[in-house]
Amino acid sequence: AQKVTQAQTEISVVEKEDVTLDCVYETRDTTYYLFWYKQPPSGELVFLIRRNSFDEQNEISGRYSWNFQKSTSSFNFTITASQVVDSAVYFCALSDYTSGTYKYIFGTGTRLKVLA
Amino acid sequence: NAGVTQTPKFRVLKTGQSMTLLCAQDMNHEYMYWYRQDPGMGLRLIHYSVGEGTTAKGEVPDGYNVSRLKKQNFLLGLESAAPSQTSVYFCASSYTFGSGTRLTVV
Repeated sequence: AQKVTQAQTEISVVEKEDVTLDCVYETRDTTYYLFWYKQPPSGELVFLIRRNSFDEQNEISGRYSWNFQKSTSSFNFTITASQVVDSAVYFCALSDYTSGTYKYIFGTGTRLKVLA
Repeated sequence: NAGVTQTPKFRVLKTGQSMTLLCAQDMNHEYMYWYRQDPGMGLRLIHYSVGEGTTAKGEVPDGYNVSRLKKQNFLLGLESAAPSQTSVYFCASSYTFGSGTRLTVV
């Protein structure tokens, strides 16, 4: 069965620290997609990245970087030099075709608090 | 380019009342989804659609109905609202989300 685990419920860091949010997934499909979303206090879900299972290259976008490792079924997200505006709940999600249609399975989220 | 538009943004219902949440997308996506978000539980799939005229049940479909008469619109209905349906509802078109509807049932 598909599953996404975000073991870190809440993380607090001081501004300018680096922080890594962990995501571990389970799927029997060989083709799947992984996502990260940010949910700031205002409540909307902001798409950050989509990665397909055949692309294991790490990705960097500004202060954000993602480490995809199929060997450990992990898709971790690192924020470098964190800022107060990074405070939010971050969700990892998996989409595959196991059930014959594309569905998205979400982790329970990690609340990140960046303290000034 | 609006992306995914959800209406309304907020609503308070009395137990037993009915309402419809509207989701509209302009990205020509086939797949659309309705989720609910409750504290500590992430997002749970209510219903989804793989194309115009099709709907299917998700993880928590009881108490909800949906329709997809036009490709760009996906409606979520509550026929007889219950306090357990107090939640934040999100529509998604593929992996793009609307801004959410905060529903309170009293």
